[in-house]
Amino acid sequence: KAGVTQTPRYLIKTRGQQVTLSCSPISGHRSVSWYQQTPGQGLQFLFEYFSETQRNKGNFPGRFSGRQFSNSRSEMNVSTLELGDSALYLCASSRGTGGAFFGQGTRLTVV
Amino acid sequence: GIQVEQSPPDLILQEGANSTLRCNFSDSVNNLQWFHQNPWGQLINLFYIPSGTKQNGRLSATTVATERYSLLYISSSQTTDSGVYFCAVGNAGGTSYGKLTFGQGTILTVHP
Repeated sequence: KAGVTQTPRYLIKTRGQQVTLSCSPISGHRSVSWYQQTPGQGLQFLFEYFSETQRNKGNFPGRFSGRQFSNSRSEMNVSTLELGDSALYLCASSRGTGGAFFGQGTRLTVV
Repeated sequence: GIQVEQSPPDLILQEGANSTLRCNFSDSVNNLQWFHQNPWGQLINLFYIPSGTKQNGRLSATTVATERYSLLYISSSQTTDSGVYFCAVGNAGGTSYGKLTFGQGTILTVHP
């Protein structure tokens, strides 16, 4: 069974640009969550989608948004990038019980 | 929201030693997981253990939900055990189905 797949693995963007990250969950998992990891703040919850609906959102500005498609694949978008958005972005999928499973992450660098 | 505290923040061991990592959380949860973050950043599932005790090889974990803590035991440590260990908790159901709150992690270094 394939695991959680995140693309791309690495990204370098310039301040002010926007970026879209993609996450394909484990087959059969309908919940997808996104997390940001930085050295200063640790791992922080961004948002969660289930059946194409955002069910929960963390404390991040509106520049961070996401969506989920009917096949459970999810994308997150960050607009007007700031230097502080440089981070490892992790996606997790879950079927409700048994816990969450994470992808390899996308490392975003904003210059 | 739920607060998660891990201890110790750093742990240095010689190969072959045993260790115990602790995770305290501030509210009742029905989801608790332990992860090992590999050098490339991926979070590797170690245990899904909202309560009780589980063992997997040299690793075992115990969660005492009523007292709001969990322990991760590593026996006969190896250099490949080095890395960051995270505890994450959540409440599946309602509106917080998949949200996990992470501790700050324990950085484990195992010397040969």
